[in-house]
Amino acid sequence: SQTIHQWPATLVQPVGSPLSLECTVEGTSNPNLYWYRQAAGRGLQLLFYSVGIGQISSEVPQNLSASRPQDRQFILSSKKLLLSDSGFYLCAWKGVPWGIGNTEAFFGQGTRLTVV
Amino acid sequence: AQTVTQSQPEMSVQEAETVTLSCTYDTSESDYYLFWYKQPPSRQMILVIRQEAYKQQNATENRFSVNFQKAAKSFSLKISDSQLGDAAMYFCAYRNLNRDDKIIFGKGTRLHILP
Repeated sequence: SQTIHQWPATLVQPVGSPLSLECTVEGTSNPNLYWYRQAAGRGLQLLFYSVGIGQISSEVPQNLSASRPQDRQFILSSKKLLLSDSGFYLCAWKGVPWGIGNTEAFFGQGTRLTVV
Repeated sequence: AQTVTQSQPEMSVQEAETVTLSCTYDTSESDYYLFWYKQPPSRQMILVIRQEAYKQQNATENRFSVNFQKAAKSFSLKISDSQLGDAAMYFCAYRNLNRDDKIIFGKGTRLHILP
């Protein structure tokens, strides 16, 4: 079966510090991968998505970046965090059109990031 | 660009009653998927129901059903016999079928169940 792991679950970071959130998927190959941010009153905002290794599409200009160094690994990073980066970050995967889980997105448990 | 709009930030319903959550979307595509996700206090995202745009029949999953109006670009969720466990944030989502495969969510509706 397919599983998605996201860590850490909770993170408190000072303004100006770097960030690295990691997400890995097991049990499937070549998934589409997504990073979302959930902030109060703004719903679930798509930040980045990837259809393959090294292929990253950015939806929202900001000081965050994403990378996909391996097929089932998706990393969200920042060189210097801002207060406005606080929120709940969710990673998700979806299967390729001919594969398992190819219709909807499956989500990780999320990371609550507080920038202080 | 595709957008998803949920115009009801919060709703309340009496236990055992029926409630309808609204969602509208904007797209120029003819084929796509629509979803309703539930996010309980644990914040885990749970798929409630899905609808394929080319299917005219409204999807149903037990007490959950949708009213899909393709021409009006409307996709509402009806919850029958509401239960305390239905209390959650509900998100409407749109997925295009292009190669980029983006999945766009609305801002959500927080549903309260009154005992």
